[in-house]
Formats: sequence, C-alpha cells, structure tokens
Amino acid sequence: EVQLVESGGVVVQPGGSLRLSCAASGFTFDDYTMHWVRQAPGKGLEWVSLISWDGGSTYYADSVKGRFTISRDNSKNSLYLQMNSLRTEDTALYYCAKDGGFGDSKTTAIDYWGQGTLVTVSS
Amino acid sequence: EIVMTQSPATLSVSPGERATLSCRASQSVSSNLAWYQQKPGQAPRLLIYGASTRATGIPARFSGSGSGTEFTLTISSLQSEDFAVYYCQQYNNWPHFGQGTRLEIK
Repeated sequence: EVQLVESGGVVVQPGGSLRLSCAASGFTFDDYTMHWVRQAPGKGLEWVSLISWDGGSTYYADSVKGRFTISRDNSKNSLYLQMNSLRTEDTALYYCAKDGGFGDSKTTAIDYWGQGTLVTVSS
Repeated sequence: EIVMTQSPATLSVSPGERATLSCRASQSVSSNLAWYQQKPGQAPRLLIYGASTRATGIPARFSGSGSGTEFTLTISSLQSEDFAVYYCQQYNNWPHFGQGTRLEIK
C-alpha cells in the first residue's frame, strides 16, 4: 500500500523559513517523479514543485521560484521542501504527491497523495 | 502559462441523474489531462488520466473525453458519494489545476 506522510508544518512569521518532509513507502521511491501541491484554506489546488526520480531535474511554480527548494533522499525514501522568505499567501495545506509515471514525459497525473501538513504564515 | 478554466463553478444534480463537468485549456494540452475528486477533509483522488483512462479502482460511471483544449468529465448516474469538488489538471507543460467544480445535491 502506497503511503505518503508529511511533517514539518507549523506557524511561522512572514520572512521565516521552514522545511517540510515526506516519508514514502509501499512503492519503489526512486522510480518516480514526486510533487508538492498546496491548498490554501477554502481554496483550490496549486501545484508547487516537482523533482525527477534521481533529483537531477526540479521545477517550480512562478509563485515560489527562488524561495522554495525541492529535494529528495532516495536512500531514505524521503522528499523535502525547503521554504524560505515565507509570505502570508504561502499559508496552505501542503501535500506530498507521487507522479503516476503513466508515460515518458517529465510529469504525468498524480496518482497518490498524502494527507497534508499545514503551514501557517502569520505574525 | 496554460490556464485551465472549469465550468460551471457549481453544479446541482439529483442522485441517479447524469452530471457533465467541463474543462477548457487556454492552449492545446493534447490528451495530457487528468481529473480529480476531492471530498471535505480529504486529499484529492485521481479519477481519470490521459483525458479518458480511468485510474485503478474508479467505477465505470466516471468517464472522460476530449483532447486539445476542450475536456469533459461525465458521471453517468450520480451516487451519494459522488458529491464533491472536481478538479481538472493539465500536465502537458508544468502542472496546472483548474479552479474546481463543486457538485452538489439538488
């Protein structure tokens, strides 16, 4: 059974930093692209970032580019999101998500999601 | 940036009836389109990928169609558990989600 368990969400002040973690199990972690997707309270889904299976390629939404860094440790089956220069608009539930690998392109549909970790940016 | 627009924002349908949800892309995404269902307090669930392929375990009453810029999710006979928010997502370029359609009981 695929499991994705996020951690690290807390209340942080604007301008602060935070590192989210995601522990993956139930699949061959280093075979798959991984994503972070967020959802502000009462709002829709916003894709944040993705990282290729080997960590060699990373991509970011314009809203977080230059502030957030995605990384992975395949030896630990873990995904990370380093979040710097946080803004109030970064307040959201952050989901760790597994790419389905349904084709040969850099990303396909997301087939598994964690339950999310809540980040609140507030003074 | 590819913008995904879903319509309507809210759809009211009676149980047992058919529901049709639309998603439009601002430029062609080929068949690189997925649909997700999200219930309150839960993570999204993948329903459809490749515009028309049902994900594992998804009932046959869910079907997807379209290519290019116009896509449709059809639920043939609504069950009580189908009332939720539905999102489309393109992955032809960097992933982008639509704003969602809330499917509510009429």
